Amino acid sequence: GQNIDQPTEMTATEGAIVQINCTYQTSGFNGLFWYQQHAGEAPTFLSYNVLDGLEEKGRFSSFLSRSKGYSYLLLKELQMKDSASYLCAVAHTGGFKTIFGAGTRLFVKA
Amino acid sequence: DSGVTQTPKHLITATGQRVTLRCSPRSGDLSVYWYQQSLDQGLQFLIQYYNGEERAKGNILERFSAQQFPDLHSELNLSSLELGDSALYFCASSPGLAGGSYNEQFFGPGTRLTVL
Repeated sequence: GQNIDQPTEMTATEGAIVQINCTYQTSGFNGLFWYQQHAGEAPTFLSYNVLDGLEEKGRFSSFLSRSKGYSYLLLKELQMKDSASYLCAVAHTGGFKTIFGAGTRLFVKA
Repeated sequence: DSGVTQTPKHLITATGQRVTLRCSPRSGDLSVYWYQQSLDQGLQFLIQYYNGEERAKGNILERFSAQQFPDLHSELNLSSLELGDSALYFCASSPGLAGGSYNEQFFGPGTRLTVL
């Protein structure tokens, strides 16, 4: 089976840094995705990690530790438009599924 | 614009009815995924097709079925609708199978289904 855990909600201040954690238990791991979803809109791709380490892409970075079943998404220089849900998703080799976590709703305040 | 289209955008129907949701993937993408997202819930994986064949199944109800046609568009059929089926239904596409950064999923705008 698979299990993906993320905090339900987080609040941070404009200009600050926030880290959103994701832990997972799964078999046949084939990578971890982070998506951003604004309310009522479609999710959009942010990052993909399959090897351990940090991937940096502008203000967003994503980290993966396969041995610990752990990932985080780091958002720097927060902007009000970053208020959204952030979805952690695990891709599987067997069955070719991608399973999404429940998402973390981030509120950015002025 | 992700390049994935879904129709209709909104659908209002009554309990017991049957509806069909349609998805056209991005040009060149062979995989199509269907997800259900109820209010304040995460994305629930329903089913995946790759080049016309079913490849993976999630917690899809027996009342729901899907198919992918030779032109790669897909349809999700929901029958004997219940109030609890009210949700946003997303279709996504990717070039191949799950995994690999080139297989990020591109999501359509969704179909909002309301069952009264």
